[in-house]
Amino acid sequence: GAVVSQHPSRVICKSGTSVKIECRSLDFQATTMFWYRQFPKQSLMLMATSNEGSKATYEQGVEKDKFLINHASLTLSTLTVTSAHPEDSSFYICSARVVAVGGTQYFGPGTRLLVL
Amino acid sequence: AQTVTQSQPEMSVQEAETVTLSCTYDTSESDYYLFWYKQPPSRQMILVIRQEAYKQQNATENRFSVNFQKAAKSFSLKISDSQLGDAAMYFCAPSQGGSEKLVFGKGTKLTVNP
Repeated sequence: GAVVSQHPSRVICKSGTSVKIECRSLDFQATTMFWYRQFPKQSLMLMATSNEGSKATYEQGVEKDKFLINHASLTLSTLTVTSAHPEDSSFYICSARVVAVGGTQYFGPGTRLLVL
Repeated sequence: AQTVTQSQPEMSVQEAETVTLSCTYDTSESDYYLFWYKQPPSRQMILVIRQEAYKQQNATENRFSVNFQKAAKSFSLKISDSQLGDAAMYFCAPSQGGSEKLVFGKGTKLTVNP
């Protein structure tokens, strides 16, 4: 149980375009999902907390107009990178929190974004 | 802001031996959770073990166990009978706040030698 999927696994786009990444909890409902960014050989950096039916909470320094987060249902959260630039190239990971297991987060497999 | 320190950037262990990864953290909260996650080369984050801060008993999951010292804010991971498949980056992560967001340390790269 507690499986989280992410789509796409890899995306290459041109500078100035927008990219949408989906995060789904497959076998449980998640009122809270999280979005992380990870640069090579570095740790995970939390970008935002996504709550179903309400606005996301962004961490300090994360541009909310650039990284749009929507959590429209209990099993789906999306991250849209708007007007992507090469510096947005990174590995993006989502997670979903399982309330019944005391705050445990289960992670998706990640999305590798390359902006040319 | 909460800080998490993993003082060992890299560790190595012989297959079948035991290794301990250290983690210290700073928090003002009294009730929280602590986690160890591993990230193999596939980059999939995998839950290794979970500890509830209000419980004094150390968590154990098969070959994995923790030494949780709440007053010292220390949360080390012991891997017994190390296997080649244990090779990965290991991240320590306490939870923070009502949303129980996780704060990750910089990680320890574990190599298992045959």
